[in-house]
Amino acid sequence: GNSVTQMEGPVTLSEEAFLTINCTYTATGYPSLFWYVQYPGEGLQLLLKATKADDKGSNKGFEATYRKETTSFHLEKGSVQVSDSAVYFCALIRTGFQKLVFGTGTRLLVSP
Amino acid sequence: GAGVSQSPRYKVAKRGQDVALRCDPISGHVSLFWYQQALGQGPEFLTYFQNEAQLDKSGLPSDRFFAERPEGSVSTLKIQRTQQEDSAVYLCASSARGNNEQFFGPGTRLTVL
Repeated sequence: GNSVTQMEGPVTLSEEAFLTINCTYTATGYPSLFWYVQYPGEGLQLLLKATKADDKGSNKGFEATYRKETTSFHLEKGSVQVSDSAVYFCALIRTGFQKLVFGTGTRLLVSP
Repeated sequence: GAGVSQSPRYKVAKRGQDVALRCDPISGHVSLFWYQQALGQGPEFLTYFQNEAQLDKSGLPSDRFFAERPEGSVSTLKIQRTQQEDSAVYLCASSARGNNEQFFGPGTRLTVL
């Protein structure tokens, strides 16, 4: 079946540290891949997406590259801020389908 | 509207009660989705509408769950005879035609006592 596996959190970093949150997926065909972010007390927001192999999605200093050979879509940021503290969800949409399949989420805590 | 809105934001129900959760999608969005998010988990798909047609209801956990979107805009998720395991945040999302980017509402937190 289709599934997404994320690294367990929480991930605790100091401000300006480098961030990597690992995400791997299992899916038939060529899914579209997404990272969503959920800030405290707010709804899910799309952070970035990629629709085909080797595409790089980027937004707000975050990046993720669609790696078909390793079925991965790891999220990275060069220098995190306290305001990046949130829960990050990796997700996919299988080609020809509409529904999102989410990972379990990774909580990021950034301290000053 | 400016975004997806949901009401109520919080609902407490006694076990066995019926509840109705409302979703107002972004104006003009043809696709509407319902997801269930248990504490500490990622959202799980429940059902999907394109306009007024319910095209996928494979994620509804039991026949106590029912969703409708009669005029292709506002949607209601109804849960009959609520059970404690129904306690979760229920998320609604909408997307425009030809675009797989889904915009989420703030969710309704349902607590069944």
